[in-house]
Amino acid sequence: EPEVTQTPSHQVTQMGQEVILRCVPISNHLYFYWYRQILGQKVEFLVSFYNNEISEKSEIFDDQFSVERPDGSNFTLKIRSTKLEDSAMYFCASSEAGGANNQPQHFGDGTRLSIL
Amino acid sequence: EDQVTQSPEALRLQEGESSSLNCSYTVSGLRGLFWYRQDPGKGPEFLFTLYSAGEEKEKERLKATLTKKESFLHITAPKPEDSATYLCAVQAWQGGGADGLTFGKGTHLIIQP
Repeated sequence: EPEVTQTPSHQVTQMGQEVILRCVPISNHLYFYWYRQILGQKVEFLVSFYNNEISEKSEIFDDQFSVERPDGSNFTLKIRSTKLEDSAMYFCASSEAGGANNQPQHFGDGTRLSIL
Repeated sequence: EDQVTQSPEALRLQEGESSSLNCSYTVSGLRGLFWYRQDPGKGPEFLFTLYSAGEEKEKERLKATLTKKESFLHITAPKPEDSATYLCAVQAWQGGGADGLTFGKGTHLIIQP
């Protein structure tokens, strides 16, 4: 069964450094998402991406964050000048379609980001 | 602001003991309500989508139902492998095509042999 793949599984970074989290969505999916889950808290939406541009973003997704689809298979989340509070599990998700069809979002197993 | 509240936070059942998990929601306009299962250290695994009040979906020992204010995930004769955190999420009509999900905190379910 096709799945969303995320790398690395665990990233440790010094505060103030930049990190790039990588995701390979399911191949025929067109809509891509990033979420985060701080330890012990709920999963929170960050951003959605369609047709090479941001479709929707939450208040969490400020100028510190950016997303990119650099080629036909990868989808990345860049976090600049990392802070201690950025420590969380980051999940990538993809869906076959959005809009009225409302296909479910399928999630990867996440990247655990630890800021020291 | 969209909100999702799940109860109970944790539930411990004996194998074979049926029960229900609750998801109460408020959303400006419901596009869909989703149930996911999350195992420790893993991402949410899709279970069901419900679109309108009165709709029901079933998969093995799980059945999801939807009203205008809440959804229930009924688990019948559970087995230890059903132990997981069950997440409820709503998607609202935002006008765009790729709308984010608003999740609840989940119900941590433990099935004892």
